[in-house]
Amino acid sequence: DTGVSQNPRHKITKRGQNVTFRCDPISEHNRLYWYRQTLGQGPEFLTYFQNEAQLEKSRLLSDRFSAERPKGSFSTLEIQRTEQGDSAMYLCASSLVGTSGDTDTQYFGPGTRLTVL
Amino acid sequence: QQPVQSPQAVILREGEDAVINCSSSKALYSVHWYRQKHGEAPVFLMILLKGGEQKGHEKISASFNEKKQQSSLYLTASQLSYSGTYFCGTDITKYGGATNKLIFGTGTLLAVQP
Repeated sequence: DTGVSQNPRHKITKRGQNVTFRCDPISEHNRLYWYRQTLGQGPEFLTYFQNEAQLEKSRLLSDRFSAERPKGSFSTLEIQRTEQGDSAMYLCASSLVGTSGDTDTQYFGPGTRLTVL
Repeated sequence: QQPVQSPQAVILREGEDAVINCSSSKALYSVHWYRQKHGEAPVFLMILLKGGEQKGHEKISASFNEKKQQSSLYLTASQLSYSGTYFCGTDITKYGGATNKLIFGTGTLLAVQP
């Protein structure tokens, strides 16, 4: 399967613990996005990378959140000192964009469902 | 900035048609439509670019009115498999180009019954 994959699919943690999620994009896709989705809402943009460069971060992304894409392939999203409000589905999407930087089609992974107790 | 979708929910019988609307208060570069089934990832349906265009994908088509900052998704002769929540994702234009950061609408729940 060459789709976007995310691990783990589910994560239950206690408040105050750190968690890390991984996203493997579609092979050769140069852009990678992280979104958060809560029940009944649409995905909410968090951050995105072009290759290994993090180009934008949402103001919603507190300093407890950090994302990396060290080699321009897979990405990790870490949440430190988790809070109950962090409970959500964390979605990753990837796309292939040309040199013009024009709008791209984003393909989503299955998500990691985080529950903070 | 979040686009507003209407209706919030719609129930159809198989074979009936539906229209889902997406309206933004900001100038748009493109509109992306997705369908999401419960517990699954959003699945890409189609993308419409500024310049005003209409696209079709089998029995699902869409239009984009750049001047009104509105897009509509048309579902004809609905099938059971069309059930799910439909989201529009809007790419707000910046300096005439794309921002590549999708802002998703409020969602429309579509239920198709036999």
